[in-house]
Amino acid sequence: DQQVKQNSPSLSVQEGRISILNCDYTNSMFDYFLWYKKYPAEGPTFLISISSIKDKNEDGRFTVFLNKSAKHLSLHIVPSQPGDSAVYFCAARKTSYDKVIFGPGTSLSVIP
Amino acid sequence: EAGVTQFPSHSVIEKGQTVTLRCDPISGHDNLYWYRRVMGKEIKFLLHFVKESKQDESGMPNNRFLAERTGGTYSTLKVQPAELEDSGVYFCASSQALGLANYNEQFFGPGTRLTVL
Repeated sequence: DQQVKQNSPSLSVQEGRISILNCDYTNSMFDYFLWYKKYPAEGPTFLISISSIKDKNEDGRFTVFLNKSAKHLSLHIVPSQPGDSAVYFCAARKTSYDKVIFGPGTSLSVIP
Repeated sequence: EAGVTQFPSHSVIEKGQTVTLRCDPISGHDNLYWYRRVMGKEIKFLLHFVKESKQDESGMPNNRFLAERTGGTYSTLKVQPAELEDSGVYFCASSQALGLANYNEQFFGPGTRLTVL
């Protein structure tokens, strides 16, 4: 019973273009949504988050969009850089201190 | 400031043996979480400590897993006896005390890769 879904296991994008990573969730109790980035042999690193009361949060090249009615969020990276190549996990929590529920991840490759 | 550290980085054991994983959270972080990623699937929650108390252990798979956090500092996760399906990467994360921020970011360690043969 996967509460956070990332239907694209992998994505390849040309350097300089936009990367769009998608995520769907099923639990309407989630209040916070997060994106984590993970390099091989390292732990996940927090990238950006959004509260359920917002529909957009921007931080530099990274923007997260939330569509609560569709239970869908997306991460936009513009422009994409080779150093962005990593696995991106979509995640959610019910409260600010609750456990994090992760999606299966999307492996992003940014081609120079 | 040192991040979350985990020891060992890798462990290879035989089925039926015992393994103990250790996590040192960021100094001053009251919340400590254990997660694991099995077979390249999603990272799944195991349990959550607040200081030395278990706040939520709903993700612990069975009674072969025992987590402790004596003194509210470092934590250990013991698997006894280990089974083949326990193989995976075990992550530890920590965060500050409740109430210090509206959003309580969890900082993850590099993980321990456990292989059970």
